[in-house]
Amino acid sequence: KNEVEQSPQNLTAQEGEFITINCSYSVGISALHWLQQHPGGGIVSLFMLSSGKKKHGRLIATINIQEKHSSLHITASHPRDSAVYICAVSIQGAQKLVFGQGTRLTINP
Amino acid sequence: ETGVTQTPRHLVMGMTNKKSLKCEQHLGHNAMYWYKQSAKKPLELMFVYNFKEQTENNSVPSRFSPECPNSSHLFLHLHTLQPEDSALYLCASSQGWADTQYFGPGTRLTVL
Repeated sequence: KNEVEQSPQNLTAQEGEFITINCSYSVGISALHWLQQHPGGGIVSLFMLSSGKKKHGRLIATINIQEKHSSLHITASHPRDSAVYICAVSIQGAQKLVFGQGTRLTINP
Repeated sequence: ETGVTQTPRHLVMGMTNKKSLKCEQHLGHNAMYWYKQSAKKPLELMFVYNFKEQTENNSVPSRFSPECPNSSHLFLHLHTLQPEDSALYLCASSQGWADTQYFGPGTRLTVL
């Protein structure tokens, strides 16, 4: 079992829908990261959080440290949001990130 | 433009070749990373350099050899690779090792 698990693995939705992607982890962490990877490979860091909630535009990330769970929400989804969303955790006391397998999101017009 | 560049963007090599991947960051960061992304597998950390010193080697085979001559440049030297080493190799940098990482566009490597 991976240390970081994401669900769902694939998600297809219609433009305008509210999107939720989940991430669970089984190790002690110092921070959790949400990343976006577009076709072609480029990765962009969306959020780094260690508690509570962060918001940037239509994106919201939450984390519950006690439950070892995080969610990424997209409001008013748009076809340009189509990408792979990756959850990663900074392992406590170690200089490394451990990644989930990613969630492939497709937003249809 | 993320401030992290990688060259080449695509590389095809035979198993007996020797090649190098280059990463350069223009962000003044102190930590740099090499990652491997194979098809249908999560990103895997390969190496971490912090202030030019290697601080993490994630059990990577010796046919991959990193070099960090200064805090802005990172190389990955490749020799006698196997077809299963074909993957997207991503470089990233961060101010400190616990900070947000900024990724380069990657080098897509094919080993024949």
